[in-house]
Amino acid sequence: GQNIDQPTEMTATEGAIVQINCTYQTSGFNGLFWYQQHAGEAPTFLSYNVLDGLEEKGRFSSFLSRSKGYSYLLLKELQMKDSASYLCAVCRGSNYQLIWGAGTKLIIKP
Amino acid sequence: DVKVTQSSRYLVKRTGEKVFLECVQDMDHENMFWYRQDPGLGLRLIYFSYDVKMKEKGDIPEGYSVSREKKERFSLILESASTNQTSMYLCASSLGGPGTVQNIQYFGAGTRLSVL
Repeated sequence: GQNIDQPTEMTATEGAIVQINCTYQTSGFNGLFWYQQHAGEAPTFLSYNVLDGLEEKGRFSSFLSRSKGYSYLLLKELQMKDSASYLCAVCRGSNYQLIWGAGTKLIIKP
Repeated sequence: DVKVTQSSRYLVKRTGEKVFLECVQDMDHENMFWYRQDPGLGLRLIYFSYDVKMKEKGDIPEGYSVSREKKERFSLILESASTNQTSMYLCASSLGGPGTVQNIQYFGAGTRLSVL
């Protein structure tokens, strides 16, 4: 089957670092996406991994291990505005569809 | 910047009504998608379209239909709205090309539909 798992909720402190994990099982893996979604708003694209390794983009980094079916999103120097849900999505096979995880709600405390 | 516009942010309809949700994108994207999002569940794909007049069923197409007469516009139709269709509906578009950054999906602001 096809499945994506991520923690439901995480809490972190302003200025700290947090790692949000995502594990997936899917046939025909063709890339993994991370999106940020603030409450009541649309998801916005954060990062894309198709090869193993780390992609860094400012305060945010994303890692992928295809052999383990595993990714993480690393957020550094946390700010209050980082309080949001973080969605992991996998592109399956040769079509354009993404399979979405349920999202991780990140709560930042002062 | 890519812009995906959904016609309504909030909508209240009665059971049995026919409901139209409109979505327009301005980046000449090939692919367009309709999702619904419910608490505790991931985004669930209702229908998608990879070309004008083409449509494919997603994971939960029952009770919905779609129309794509022009490249920039993708409409979701609830033929006879029911209370279990109360949800947040999100439209997205992508340029194309699985396995590339062209597969990034860009979302509209969403329509929160309540069916009473």
